[in-house]
Amino acid sequence: ELKVEQNPLFLSMQEGKNYTIYCNYSTTSDRLYWYRQDPGKSLESLFVLLSNGAVKQEGRLMASLDTKARLSTLHITAAVHDLSATYFCAVDIRHNTDKLIFGTGTRLQVFP
Amino acid sequence: NAGVTQTPKFRILKIGQSMTLQCTQDMNHNYMYWYRQDPGMGLKLIYYSVGAGITDKGEVPNGYNVSRSTTEDFPLRLELAAPSQTSVYFCASSYYGEVGTQYFGPGTRLLVL
Repeated sequence: ELKVEQNPLFLSMQEGKNYTIYCNYSTTSDRLYWYRQDPGKSLESLFVLLSNGAVKQEGRLMASLDTKARLSTLHITAAVHDLSATYFCAVDIRHNTDKLIFGTGTRLQVFP
Repeated sequence: NAGVTQTPKFRILKIGQSMTLQCTQDMNHNYMYWYRQDPGMGLKLIYYSVGAGITDKGEVPNGYNVSRSTTEDFPLRLELAAPSQTSVYFCASSYYGEVGTQYFGPGTRLLVL
């Protein structure tokens, strides 16, 4: 059974600080996704990582993928309050169907 | 484009009742999905479809049924609602060939009492 684990589950951080969210998965996969969800809202796609060593950056967020270690990271640089949300990673378990298994999410709170 | 739309936004059901959650997309996507999200948890795939007339089970299909007669619509049917089906339901769609991006609807919050 494929498992996707994120840590930490909850992260409270001060504005201006850096931190990393980790996503581990238990079987081989060639696609990994990061999504953002604001409270009571739907999911917004952040990144799609397609190969080993892939790195993508958007603003203060940078995601990377190590398929050999079955690990993806989401790095936050100089956090701001607007980044407060829940972040999910998801793994494609069957190629060509986008059939995703989601992690449990990391709830991020950024305070002044 | 409206994207992915879902109705209703919120519904209260009594145990044993049935209902259909509607999902429509106007992006001509061939893949569509239904997920449920329990409080404080990630999403779990219920059913998915790779095209009209083709559906398959996801992680948690028990208690649900789907059909896909058109590219645009992918309704989810709950038969004999149970309290364990209290959740938020998200529909999503994607286009095979446009790698990876699933577009999510706003969700339907369902409470079974």
